[in-house]
Amino acid sequence: QSAPTQPRAVSGSPGQSVTISCTGTSGEIDRYDYVSWYQQHPGKAPKLLIFNVDKRPSGVPDRFSGSKSGDTASLTISGLQAEDETDYYCCSYSGSYTYVFGTGTKVTVL
Amino acid sequence: EVHLVESGGGLVQPGGSLRLSCSTSGFTLSSYWMHWVRQAPGKGPVWLSRISTDGSSISYSDSVKGRFTISRDNAKKTVFLQMNSLREEDTALYYCTREVIVGVSAGDAFDIWGQGTMVTVSS
Repeated sequence: QSAPTQPRAVSGSPGQSVTISCTGTSGEIDRYDYVSWYQQHPGKAPKLLIFNVDKRPSGVPDRFSGSKSGDTASLTISGLQAEDETDYYCCSYSGSYTYVFGTGTKVTVL
Repeated sequence: EVHLVESGGGLVQPGGSLRLSCSTSGFTLSSYWMHWVRQAPGKGPVWLSRISTDGSSISYSDSVKGRFTISRDNAKKTVFLQMNSLREEDTALYYCTREVIVGVSAGDAFDIWGQGTMVTVSS
């Protein structure tokens, strides 16, 4: 399977909102409601932010929210903070118990 | 506290084999589906393989199917990844990760990750 496409980079000022898109290449995002989002700081393992399109695990701030429309999922970070500057990846179930991560987006806080 | 600790990585020549282990603690391994994910230096994560709670259901990405084998020993609280016919493109940090439980079912997302073990395939 090909990786869902994410913008290479997005940026915003502190307090603003940014949205990262994740567009499927094989219809997997449209077909299944199993999109998750991960935050990864340099040298660290990915951290789960969102699962099942729009569900937040306990402990994840409500500044992070997820949504989906057709074959594109989105992660929105509201009230952008300095510590949000890092890499973000989407991941989608792609059938037959397989999964595919997105291409990744670097968020810069201006 | 929940922990996953990977081990078994190292330097191996092309065509060689390695067996990775993922030692778990702080939760009941037999209740969770488990996965392996890798990340090449400077690249994004790539999903590799999934194993059901009792090992009866297994899946692989096309890139490793036929070369890698996932297994588990719930009594020893450990998940394994046997890697054969290694190629230079298999060079990456290999993570063990736990699938989240949503209600009473596996949730198709990964909520706990280890720190990873580095595999370098080079002559």
